Amino acid sequence: DQQVKQNSPSLSVQEGRISILNCDYTNSMFDYFLWYKKYPAEGPTFLISISSIKDKNEDGRFTVFLNKSAKHLSLHIVPSQPGDSAVYFCAARANTGNQFYFGTGTSLTVIP
Amino acid sequence: NAGVMQNPRHLVRRRGQEARLRCSPMKGHSHVYWYRQLPEEGLKFMVYLQKENIIDESGMPKERFSAEFPKEGPSILRIQQVVRGDSAAYFCASSRKNAGQGVKNYGYTFGSGTRLTVV
Repeated sequence: DQQVKQNSPSLSVQEGRISILNCDYTNSMFDYFLWYKKYPAEGPTFLISISSIKDKNEDGRFTVFLNKSAKHLSLHIVPSQPGDSAVYFCAARANTGNQFYFGTGTSLTVIP
Repeated sequence: NAGVMQNPRHLVRRRGQEARLRCSPMKGHSHVYWYRQLPEEGLKFMVYLQKENIIDESGMPKERFSAEFPKEGPSILRIQQVVRGDSAAYFCASSRKNAGQGVKNYGYTFGSGTRLTVV
């Protein structure tokens, strides 16, 4: 039962262009969403978050958009840099729960 | 200030042996979460603990797996009689507050994980 889905296992983008990573969820009780970045042989690191009361949150080159009616969120990276090459996980939480639900990840490759 | 420390980084066990994975949370963090990542899958929640208490173990397999977070020392995830299907990366995360308590702008801090291989 995958409540958070990342349907694109991989994405390649040219350096300087925009990277768009997508995430869909099924549970309407989710009220808080995060993106994590993971390099090989390391643990995931927190990147950016968004509450369900917002539809956009921006932090430098990273912007997360939330479309509650579509149960969809996306992470935009502009401009993309080679150091952004990593696996990106989307995660969601219900306010009454104790856990975050993670997607299966999207592997981003930024080509110099 | 060290982050979340997990050891060992790599662990090889033969089928039927026991595996013990350790996690020391960040200083000041009293909430610990264990997640498992199987090949080609996302991170799956296993258990949430506070000091000396298991709060939510809804993601733990019913048999062979146990977890503790004693008053002193690291949190331990224990897998008895390991099987090949237990081979995975096990990540520990810690936080000051429970992820479900409406804390805003909050995320876990993860350790680097323990990669368990059962041969």
